[in-house]
Amino acid sequence: DTGVSQDPRHKITKRGQNVTFRCDPISEHNRLYWYRQTLGQGPEFLTYFQNEAQLEKSRLLSDRFSAERPKGSFSTLEIQRTEQGDSAMYLCASSLTGGSYEQYFGPGTRLTVT
Amino acid sequence: SQKIEQNSEALNIQEGKTATLTCNYTNYSPAYLQWYRQDPGRGPVFLLLIRENEKEKRKERLKVTFDTTLKQSLFHITASQPADSATYLCALRDTGGFKTIFGAGTRLFVKA
Repeated sequence: DTGVSQDPRHKITKRGQNVTFRCDPISEHNRLYWYRQTLGQGPEFLTYFQNEAQLEKSRLLSDRFSAERPKGSFSTLEIQRTEQGDSAMYLCASSLTGGSYEQYFGPGTRLTVT
Repeated sequence: SQKIEQNSEALNIQEGKTATLTCNYTNYSPAYLQWYRQDPGRGPVFLLLIRENEKEKRKERLKVTFDTTLKQSLFHITASQPADSATYLCALRDTGGFKTIFGAGTRLFVKA
């Protein structure tokens, strides 16, 4: 396994369109996180999964955002009715349970909303 | 309000010197604090984790301290090299939840 992968790496969309991103974590990792990062800022937490259960979701996340991890493996993040303010890098990270808290990040998906 | 703050100004140092980066937090009681490195256009890479009951942690040229009284962590890179130039992020997990909160990062430039 070569690490966390994300697809696509870049996405340009028009305002109002829906977009979906995919994250494939490291295979034995059961924790999965989504973050959003804008220029000059650190990653901002969006949501957390343990296996297939979504255990925490940021209060900052509007109803236009939804994430799933149907079989506890890959995850998808969907943004409906995109707005220009959604333009950012979307990062996925995974980690193991059992005391190891280090997170392994994917390369990110850069979203541009025109 | 809850805050995690890192020096917003870039740190410029000469090769061979020690770089020291600061992370301060307010109104959190983290069980541990992490440091990550991020290069432009890439995801963060984990470097070190220090727990609340640890004062200091070392890994090769890296050293992290954690002072829960001051609510501060210091990150040191000794014998710095140009390849250490990157943005360094501190992160903590708030107690009672799963959310990880990142600081905005400090950009480090090491000149040859």
